[in-house]
Amino acid sequence: GAVVSQHPSWVICKSGTSVKIECRSLDFQATTMFWYRQFPKQSLMLMATSNEGSKATYEQGVEKDKFLINHASLTLSTLTVTSAHPEDSSFYICSAIVSDYNEQFFGPGTRLTVL
Amino acid sequence: AQSVSQHNHHVILSEAASLELGCNYSYGGTVNLFWYVQYPGQHLQLLLKYFSGDPLVKGIKGFEAEFIKSKFSFNLRKPSVQWSDTAEYFCAVGEGFQKLVFGTGTRLLVSP
Repeated sequence: GAVVSQHPSWVICKSGTSVKIECRSLDFQATTMFWYRQFPKQSLMLMATSNEGSKATYEQGVEKDKFLINHASLTLSTLTVTSAHPEDSSFYICSAIVSDYNEQFFGPGTRLTVL
Repeated sequence: AQSVSQHNHHVILSEAASLELGCNYSYGGTVNLFWYVQYPGQHLQLLLKYFSGDPLVKGIKGFEAEFIKSKFSFNLRKPSVQWSDTAEYFCAVGEGFQKLVFGTGTRLLVSP
C-alpha cells in the first residue's frame, strides 16, 4: 500500500512558539491530504482538507490563522501550529488520498506537547 | 451532521473467542462506511469499507462487517480472534472516502 510519513514523530515546545509538522506521501502523488487531531481517549477529528496549489478547507471550529496549512507540492503538506498553547497539545495525524485505491492512507502521527 | 457511535470502549477476549464490535451512524444521505485498525505504535490501517452492493463486506485478516441500513449499523465481526488482533478499532463514515467522521474507538485486548 501507499506510505505516508510524518515528521517529527513527537515534539515538545514552549507556550507561544510555533511548530511545523510535515506530512509526506513517499511513493505516490497526493493532490488531497487531510489533517486530523486526536485528543487522549477521543476520536480523530478532521481539522482541514489540504489541496495542492490551493487554500486549505477548514472544518467548523478550527482556527485557520492558528493552524496554517500549506500544500506546496504533490508530496508534501505542512501544518504549522502558531503561538501554541498547552490546550493545543494533541496527536496530529495526516492522511492522503490515493485515487486508484479509493481510500485514505494515514501517517503515523505527531505528538505535540506544549509546555 | 454525520456522527458515529461505538458503544464498546474496551473489550477483552480470550484467543479463539468470537468478536463483534458495534458501530452506529447518523447520516441522512448515502453513506460510505469504514473500519480502521490501529495496532500498538502503528498508524491507522483500513480493515474494510462499504460503498454499495452486498451489505456483508469482507476485509483483511478475517474481518467482516454487515451494513444494516434499517438499523444504521455497521458492526465488525471476526469468528475467532487471535492475540495479534489486539489493537484499537475505529468505525468511520464518510463522503466517498473523504471527510471521514470517526467513532471514539474500541480497544480490544486478546489474551493468549
